[in-house]
Amino acid sequence: GAGVSQSPSNKVTEKGKDVELRCDPISGHTALYWYRQSLGQGLEFLIYFQGNSAPDKSGLPSDRFSAERTGGSVSTLTIQRTQQEDSAVYLCASSWTSGDPYEQYFGPGTRLTVT
Amino acid sequence: AQRVTQPEKLLSVFKGAPVELKCNYSYSGSPELFWYVQYSRQRLQLLLRHISRESIKGFTADLNKGETSFHLKKPFAQEEDSAMYYCALSGGNTGKLIFGQGTTLQVKP
Repeated sequence: GAGVSQSPSNKVTEKGKDVELRCDPISGHTALYWYRQSLGQGLEFLIYFQGNSAPDKSGLPSDRFSAERTGGSVSTLTIQRTQQEDSAVYLCASSWTSGDPYEQYFGPGTRLTVT
Repeated sequence: AQRVTQPEKLLSVFKGAPVELKCNYSYSGSPELFWYVQYSRQRLQLLLRHISRESIKGFTADLNKGETSFHLKKPFAQEEDSAMYYCALSGGNTGKLIFGQGTTLQVKP
């Protein structure tokens, strides 16, 4: 079956511009996670959605970062006024449920470069 | 604070040699520990988790609560094991993962 998909695969933007990154989770997965993979910081948790519950935004690095999940499926991560330190690979993952150690399935990532 | 430490950025071994990728964690409760692997040009994927007590591709990992460690081991490394390995911790009820910095395993022929 189809795995987690993300778009675009690569995004180059100028400092100060806004960007939107999209994630399509595996159909039926109720939990969705965003992570960031960067050279200096490794893999960092950003935000988590579970069903209709309020998202866990504890990993978002600043208020320039926001995310939403529409209809319990597709999610969009938005970065406003991008900075060079936002350059990284943004990974999305989904799983059947949270609260138990179910396997998280990762997408291929979006490589963001801020020039 | 929740933290996962992988002290080695790079581990280079010859084919057939034993491998041990180190992972130490800091967590106040009872964490779930995982190893994720990312092969070249592939997605990050789960390798194994401590609750399953399974061996995947010849790899095993034992949770040592006394030493707060979850080292990944394989008795005989293969070239196809070359990849980036991440140790991860999940605590609480959200399932979010706290990752270590990752270790690149390079298996030379």
